[in-house]
Amino acid sequence: DAGITQSPRYKITETGRQVTLMCHQTWSHSYMFWYRQDLGHGLRLIYYSAAADITDKGEVPDGYVVSRSKTENFPLTLESATRSQTSVYFCASSKDRGATDTQYFGPGTRLTVL
Amino acid sequence: QQQVKQSPQSLIVQKGGISIINCAYENTAFDYFPWYQQFPGKGPALLIAIRPDVSEKKEGRFTISFNKSAKQFSLHIMDSQPGDSATYFCAASIKGNTPLVFGKGTRLSVIA
Repeated sequence: DAGITQSPRYKITETGRQVTLMCHQTWSHSYMFWYRQDLGHGLRLIYYSAAADITDKGEVPDGYVVSRSKTENFPLTLESATRSQTSVYFCASSKDRGATDTQYFGPGTRLTVL
Repeated sequence: QQQVKQSPQSLIVQKGGISIINCAYENTAFDYFPWYQQFPGKGPALLIAIRPDVSEKKEGRFTISFNKSAKQFSLHIMDSQPGDSATYFCAASIKGNTPLVFGKGTRLSVIA
């Protein structure tokens, strides 16, 4: 049971480049989330999705794009990476936000923008 | 606007001692309060959660205390062990409505 996976685990890129972080879950969970974790800021929600083709902005969506064509995948794209987007990115999923609200997190992607 | 304020930012506790982490919230519509535990290099994982209809919930050495009138809730770790060393996040949400709002986290170090 793979659960929720993220790829790549580590990524170094340059300012202005496009970067896509992948997230895949095997539970058929309805909800998926993208967070960034920065020292002093905790976990901040970037985007979330309630189902395929339904996405909503979180607290810090600027500079990011998401899509969800399939229930199991929720890629996060940085269209033109900036140094301020250097962070650890976590993907999470939950079965039903109205039920238990338990979110299951992936292992994270450490992104460095030079 | 920070909806959930967590303190302290870091905490050092002796092995066998009690670790206490506090959170305060403003939105009285919040009705679900989980705590997540994160070990270095890993994603957070749900540790324990409480709803406002009870004032306390205990699971093993971990207890959530909830004070609705003060809009505060706290995590108590009894008999703290070095294996409890991790970052702890409190969170809140309106069940079935909004995503979780996380506190900024507390880095706990339990020393022998």
